[in-house]
Amino acid sequence: VQVQESGPGLVKPSETLSLTCAVSGGSISRYYWSWIRQPAGKGLEWFGRIYASGSTDYNPSLKSRVTMSVDTSKNQLSLKLKSVTAADTAVYYCASSGFYGDAFDIWGQGTPVTVSS
Amino acid sequence: QSVLTQPPSVSGVPGQRVTISCTGSGSNIGAGYDVHWYQQFPGTAPKLLIYDNNNRPSGIPDRFSGSKSGTSASLAITGLQAEDEADYYCQSFDSSLIAWVFGGGTKLTVL
Repeated sequence: VQVQESGPGLVKPSETLSLTCAVSGGSISRYYWSWIRQPAGKGLEWFGRIYASGSTDYNPSLKSRVTMSVDTSKNQLSLKLKSVTAADTAVYYCASSGFYGDAFDIWGQGTPVTVSS
Repeated sequence: QSVLTQPPSVSGVPGQRVTISCTGSGSNIGAGYDVHWYQQFPGTAPKLLIYDNNNRPSGIPDRFSGSKSGTSASLAITGLQAEDEADYYCQSFDSSLIAWVFGGGTKLTVL
């Protein structure tokens, strides 16, 4: 299974960030899919996860700003993060879990996002 | 401040055994949730190294091992190699935060 994230690269403060994760080489229905971000030089933060059915679990600390969706016909996932600030500047990863319990065993290469006017 | 605490850095010489600790609390590791470990090289995505405390995914050398006790977990690397120089992260679930959480990461330097 290969995973490829894509996004705008640059987003203005207060706007909504939209990212897409394309899954190939396997069915998106087989796994849970999470979004995880990493600010430069810092650690990892879990946003939330979505299953093929559309059911979601969000990180409560981000829940008010996050929306995740899945399009099984396109084998794609989407993340929307509203009201972004400079603190949302990071590399955003799409990762799957479910094959090895809740460990994230498949990761995309990540897409960098900068929030700046 | 990460929920799971790791030392910022560790170092060792080739052939040596090094360990990286991951200290949590009663709402995560101490509550019985599994710990997973990742290896990350600069500019690349994390790679799963250990899952469910002490299991290796296929393709991971047996030089890497994990353990868990109480509110802490450890990653051990034996026969240290120059190619092991990377950042290492632990991960578990926190029932108070209702979220998967990561340690702050440990930079391993091979001297």
